[in-house]
Amino acid sequence: SAVISQKPSRDICQRGTSLTIQCQVDSQVTMMFWYRQQPGQSLTLIATANQGSEATYESGFVIDKFPISRPNLTFSTLTVSNMSPEDSSIYLCSARASSGDGYTFGSGTRLTVV
Amino acid sequence: EDQVTQSPEALRLQEGESSSLNCSYTVSGLRGLFWYRQDPGKGPEFLFTLYSAGEEKEKERLKATLTKKESFLHITAPKPEDSATYLCAVASGSARQLTFGSGTQLTVLP
Repeated sequence: SAVISQKPSRDICQRGTSLTIQCQVDSQVTMMFWYRQQPGQSLTLIATANQGSEATYESGFVIDKFPISRPNLTFSTLTVSNMSPEDSSIYLCSARASSGDGYTFGSGTRLTVV
Repeated sequence: EDQVTQSPEALRLQEGESSSLNCSYTVSGLRGLFWYRQDPGKGPEFLFTLYSAGEEKEKERLKATLTKKESFLHITAPKPEDSATYLCAVASGSARQLTFGSGTQLTVLP
């Protein structure tokens, strides 16, 4: 299965600033996903990152707040823009391989906004 | 809309005390049911994928089973290192993303 390197692993940011999270996959994958996991809760899908086209966002998430890039089949970024303390959470990327239904996750980015 | 419900929310076991975690689901056209393990501060680690009712998969002390309405993760003679949050997720129909349950936090006491 694919291996995902996600960085940064954690960051503390000032409100009003932006943070870009990167995910690098060790093989080409058809689909990449970005999730948010708030403390003590399960994973909520933010958006699906499509190579060569705009990301598809879930209800409650908008491109201006969470712009996503997917320049090729092995890399994606998620930016958390104009941050507020409510954005403090763990952000996770995931990838679905071209064959089969295996979904792999990165190690997560723990974001604290102060 | 897909729904996944896990129970119990938390489970404390003595080392060697076998038990089961439940994942009930409502989907339109199940494409796969997934079990993950998540340790604090880390991303989910893939355990199993089940595709059809009656299917079973095993890995060390873990065994996952699937019916048309629910899945069970059986833990046989657990050890303290099995302590983690276990997540269940489904993929359905034409959807490409996973819908997750809220997880079961398992603690195994020595």
